[in-house]
Amino acid sequence: GESVGLHLPTLSVQEGDNSIINCAYSNSASDYFIWYKQESGKGPQFIIDIRSNMDKRQGQRVTVLLNKTVKHLSLQIAATQPGDSAVYFCAENGSGGYQKVTFGIGTKLQVIP
Amino acid sequence: DTAVSQTPKYLVTQMGNDKSIKCEQNLGHDTMYWYKQDSKKFLKIMFSYNNKELIINETVPNRFSPKSPDKAHLNLHINSLELGDSAVYFCASRGRVGEKLFFGSGTQLSVL
Repeated sequence: GESVGLHLPTLSVQEGDNSIINCAYSNSASDYFIWYKQESGKGPQFIIDIRSNMDKRQGQRVTVLLNKTVKHLSLQIAATQPGDSAVYFCAENGSGGYQKVTFGIGTKLQVIP
Repeated sequence: DTAVSQTPKYLVTQMGNDKSIKCEQNLGHDTMYWYKQDSKKFLKIMFSYNNKELIINETVPNRFSPKSPDKAHLNLHINSLELGDSAVYFCASRGRVGEKLFFGSGTQLSVL
């Protein structure tokens, strides 16, 4: 659970293009997944969530895809804007009344104007 | 009105000192958390309380002691601060399992 040796992946995208941010999760028993956006100097903010009985969920300009077979989540942002520049985290919640929410390492999204 | 508020926003202190960070939520949530974010942005859970009862206690040095006087408050006291404690500490809360967490704006702790 430490970040020693890890680095923050960066994704650079042209303004107006679509962005895809990927996340691999570790616990096959996790039943609830959340994407967060963290802007500089702020706390993580909720973007969208998905439960394990779904494989796709759409919000405003965002779509989350869940592939339980390979334990993979993705966040798609349509028509990326400069205001989308931030660090994005996926988080997983274990099943069975478990309160622990574990975060992935994050991806920094840079939008090029 | 801020849903999850933590104070102070910045904390600069010397090694060996003892300091506290306070957190309050006005969402009526039962569960509160402390997370530590290092310089590489990795978010690691430290503690969680549900209705004033400790339910998650990760491998954290016992210099860190959380205290929950009521379900709306979760404070973090740190004894004998070390350089490696420098990080951003986030408080969060949620109503029930299977719901999203709401985060505070963070406390940046710098130990000199």
